[in-house]
Amino acid sequence: AQTVTQSQPEMSVQEAETVTLSCTYDTSESDYYLFWYKQPPSRQMILVIRQEAYKQQNATENRFSVNFQKAAKSFSLKISDSQLGDAAMYFCAYRSGGYGGSQGNLIFGKGTKLSVKP
Amino acid sequence: NAGVTQTPKFQVLKTGQSMTLQCAQDMNHEYMSWYRQDPGMGLRLIHYSVGAGITDQGEVPNGYNVSRSTTEDFPLRLLSAAPSQTSVYFCASAPRWTGGVGYTFGSGTRLTVV
Repeated sequence: AQTVTQSQPEMSVQEAETVTLSCTYDTSESDYYLFWYKQPPSRQMILVIRQEAYKQQNATENRFSVNFQKAAKSFSLKISDSQLGDAAMYFCAYRSGGYGGSQGNLIFGKGTKLSVKP
Repeated sequence: NAGVTQTPKFQVLKTGQSMTLQCAQDMNHEYMSWYRQDPGMGLRLIHYSVGAGITDQGEVPNGYNVSRSTTEDFPLRLLSAAPSQTSVYFCASAPRWTGGVGYTFGSGTRLTVV
């Protein structure tokens, strides 16, 4: 079974600085997708960025980028120029590339709470 | 607006009471899921469905029932609420054939069982 591990329960960053959130996963599959979700105090789950395992190029969305190391099964999220609005819980998630049954389910890490200091 | 609609947003139940959390999506997604979120535990899968008439158990199914009579709706039933079911519940949906799209989540239900 696949697992997702976020080893940093809490992180803190100064406004305008850069922070990296760690995520590792375990799978025997070669085809899969990885995601980072943001959950602000409003509780809404917001998709921040996604990565297809077959793509070597790291995904980027504005100030958010990932460092995808497939061999090491690592998928870290880098937030540049941190803003107060980035303060939230961040979840790393895995989804199999298969289409049957449970393969479509999202598997989550336990999350990292990010604080942004003004 | 297209998305996942989840109701209610808040609910307080007494131990032993039953209730249904409603979830509806208008994106014609095949996959629908229910998660519960507890502090320090991330989101854990309760039940999921890959299409109308098909449901299956997730990681923490005990005490919950689901059904999927239409593509749009996926209600979660608590038959006899227990304090251990105090949690935040999320419904989510995703297309089956495009895994990279990711799941769309409802706004969540905070349930307290006293």
